[in-house]
Amino acid sequence: AQSVTQLGSHVSVSEGALVLLRCNYSSSVPPYLFWYVQYPNQGLQLLLKYTTGATLVKGINGFEAEFKKSETSFHLTKPSAHMSDAAEYFCAVSTNTGGFKTIFGAGTRLFVKA
Amino acid sequence: DSGVTQTPKHLITATGQRVTLRCSPRSGDLSVYWYQQSLDQGLQFLIQYYNGEERAKGNILERFSAQQFPDLHSELNLSSLELGDSALYFCASNVGENTDTQYFGPGTRLTVL
Repeated sequence: AQSVTQLGSHVSVSEGALVLLRCNYSSSVPPYLFWYVQYPNQGLQLLLKYTTGATLVKGINGFEAEFKKSETSFHLTKPSAHMSDAAEYFCAVSTNTGGFKTIFGAGTRLFVKA
Repeated sequence: DSGVTQTPKHLITATGQRVTLRCSPRSGDLSVYWYQQSLDQGLQFLIQYYNGEERAKGNILERFSAQQFPDLHSELNLSSLELGDSALYFCASNVGENTDTQYFGPGTRLTVL
């Protein structure tokens, strides 16, 4: 069965600093990987996803993530944080086995300091 | 706007009661997913329907049930409500492939008093 671990329930960065949100997954088959963002009082929306092909994936709002099979990781980065990036971020994994369940991580809340 | 609608936005009820949450998927989407989000449990997958049939089941309690109708809208029924059922309930939809992005609705906030 697949699982997702997000390291750090809270991350705080200064405006303009690098954002790094960590995600590790467990899957016995090639996974599909997603990052979603949730702004206060809203539903989740997709930032980026990896299915096949290039392992460096670029998403919206300047975010990107790299699929590293050897490390079973899919960390999310952004070179320069903006105040508007403050939100909760969820990593998710989906596979072709065991039905269509997509498993979400526990989430990481990003705080951006002025 | 994701194109997924959920009603009602807020619901306040008492323990022991039964409520129904409604979700209309994006036009063309065949799959509907239900999630529960609470502070202590995080985002929990409840159940998925695809074109009217149950496709996958997650951590859904026996007191909860769902269905998807011929017009593809879905309802989540919660009965014998307990204080711990207070949470945000999200519906998401997509075409039905697990490589697809899920498009989330704005959620229904349920408060059980």
